[in-house]
Amino acid sequence: DQQVKQNSPSLSVQEGRISILNCDYTNSMFDYFLWYKKYPAEGPTFLISISSIKDKNEDGRFTVFLNKSAKHLSLHIVPSQPGDSAVYFCAASTTSYDKVIFGPGTSLSVIP
Amino acid sequence: DTGVSQNPRHKITKRGQNVTFRCDPISEHNRLYWYRQTLGQGPEFLTYFQNEAQLEKSRLLSDRFSAERPKGSFSTLEIQRTEQGDSAMYLCASSPPILAGAYEQYFGPGTRLTVT
Repeated sequence: DQQVKQNSPSLSVQEGRISILNCDYTNSMFDYFLWYKKYPAEGPTFLISISSIKDKNEDGRFTVFLNKSAKHLSLHIVPSQPGDSAVYFCAASTTSYDKVIFGPGTSLSVIP
Repeated sequence: DTGVSQNPRHKITKRGQNVTFRCDPISEHNRLYWYRQTLGQGPEFLTYFQNEAQLEKSRLLSDRFSAERPKGSFSTLEIQRTEQGDSAMYLCASSPPILAGAYEQYFGPGTRLTVT
């Protein structure tokens, strides 16, 4: 049973436009959510996180939105840059320091 | 470079052999995690240490898998009698003490295991 779902395996966006990556989760006990970015041959790199007490967190070009009632979160990247091309993993945990449950990832391609 | 390091980066072994991987976390991090990632999937949790204590093990971690973290520093993951299904990327991550106020896990580059 996949507790964290990313239903879009891939996404292509023009440089300068907005990239929106979506994520759904099933476990209502999750209260801390993270996005990781992964380049080939490297480990995942932490991007941004959000606690369940918030509905939005912003860091530069990256914004994460959380809709707890819908068990849905999204990552917005604006403006998208070619260097953003990578696999993005949505992840969740029951506390901020617990093990992390990852989704299957969305491969983002930003086209120059 | 003071990030998480993992050795070896690649390991090819024959079915039935034992393999051991090493992870060196960021020096001030007291929590250490092992994950496994197969093609097209996200990392899957295997086990977790706080200092030298192994606090949780996934049901994915069969009896052939064992992990240690002596003295709360580096960690090793051993797979005995490897099977082809063990072929995967094995990722190690570490994170700082809870009181430090930062919770994200920092990942190493991984060890890619191929069982022939």
